[in-house]
Amino acid sequence: DTAVSQTPKYLVTQMGNDKSIKCEQNLGHDTMYWYKQDSKKFLKIMFSYNNKELIINETVPNRFSPKSPDKAHLNLHINSLELGDSAVYFCASSPRTGVDRQQFFGPGTRLTVL
Amino acid sequence: RKEVEQDPGPFNVPEGATVAFNCTYSNSASQSFFWYRQDCRKEPKLLMSVYSSGNEDGRFTAQLNRASQYISLLIRDSKLSDSATYLCVDDRAGGSYIPTFGRGTSLIVHP
Repeated sequence: DTAVSQTPKYLVTQMGNDKSIKCEQNLGHDTMYWYKQDSKKFLKIMFSYNNKELIINETVPNRFSPKSPDKAHLNLHINSLELGDSAVYFCASSPRTGVDRQQFFGPGTRLTVL
Repeated sequence: RKEVEQDPGPFNVPEGATVAFNCTYSNSASQSFFWYRQDCRKEPKLLMSVYSSGNEDGRFTAQLNRASQYISLLIRDSKLSDSATYLCVDDRAGGSYIPTFGRGTSLIVHP
């Protein structure tokens, strides 16, 4: 059983297109995240949702819009894709509180914008 | 934004060697840290939590030095399979459960 799943795994698209990435977790966690890992491997948080509510919104262009229909799902929609959006996008989940608030990551979505 | 700094390496060591990585953090109020391991083209996975009293799991030991604001990871008797990137995380670098990852330290264990 996959704890955190993402679709699609690979996404190749043209500049200017709109695309979505879906994420689901079956761990019962309250908090979900989106991260971007660029070509230099730097993993940066983009958004965090707790029980369907946005709690973190880092400096991300408003072309990126997260949506959480329920606490098990956090989707990422990207409008007007740019070359610089090419990266690996990871979804993750964790308990909201607690000492051992480890994060469980999905397998990643490798986005290439041509 | 409070930062988390790591030496990117790579650390190139022979099998059986002991290797240590440090990770500095800038938020003196931070209390919760982790080490993650990321293999090439894979997602990060938790390696171990870092407790105030230190934490040991087999060949791996994690320690926290609050006075100097760094955490460390020691790997003893390195195996080829330890080759990966090791990421440290300050779980509250942003002050409110905003996890911040370091850039990662690359380890290459060779025969």
